[in-house]
Amino acid sequence: QLQLEESGGGVVQPGRSLRLSCAASGFTFSTYAMHWVRQAPGKGLEWVTVISYDGSKRFYADSVKGRFTISRDNSNNTLYLQMNSLSGDDTAVYYCARDMYSTSSQVLTSWGQGTLVTVSS
Amino acid sequence: QSVLTQPPSVSAAPGQRVTISCSGSNSNIGNNYVSWYQHLPGTAPKLLIYDTNKRPSGIPDRFSGSKSGTSATLDIRGLQTGDEAVYYCGTWNNSLSATVVFGGGTKLTVI
Repeated sequence: QLQLEESGGGVVQPGRSLRLSCAASGFTFSTYAMHWVRQAPGKGLEWVTVISYDGSKRFYADSVKGRFTISRDNSNNTLYLQMNSLSGDDTAVYYCARDMYSTSSQVLTSWGQGTLVTVSS
Repeated sequence: QSVLTQPPSVSAAPGQRVTISCSGSNSNIGNNYVSWYQHLPGTAPKLLIYDTNKRPSGIPDRFSGSKSGTSATLDIRGLQTGDEAVYYCGTWNNSLSATVVFGGGTKLTVI
């Protein structure tokens, strides 16, 4: 059964860094593109970033470009999101999601339960 | 403010039909497929429609999608109380940097 389990969320001070992880199981992780999507409190879904199946292509939302880095370890079936220079606007539940294809599309077929990141002093 | 515009809320009675609109531009909906997602609070979002009008396995045919020009529509027939959720449209945005974009979400209330 396909599973995506996010971890690494928590409370972090403004300006600091945090790394999220997403452990994948139940499918061949190395053949699918993967996304991070977030939802701030009381707001809608906001797409954050995507990485192709082999890590060769990465795209970012303008709101995180230059601060966030997506990466993956296909040998360990794990997706990562390195978040630097965090601010209150980054407070959100962060979801990892599997793409329908190996390269990035807008079809997110399966989602994790999310991990909460709170940026506060 | 979302690139794709959805009504904040819609409502209908059980058994009835409701449509949710998603308005964009030629940079996104006009030249790309559209997906629709259902999101209940505290749960993982679920893919309902992809490639504008296709349903993943397990999604009942009460849910259907369509597109005309730069607008897309999610149609839900035979409403059930379990359909009460927030619905999001999503697509590619072919701007300077290719990205995925979502609508602001529409809260469906089954009254």
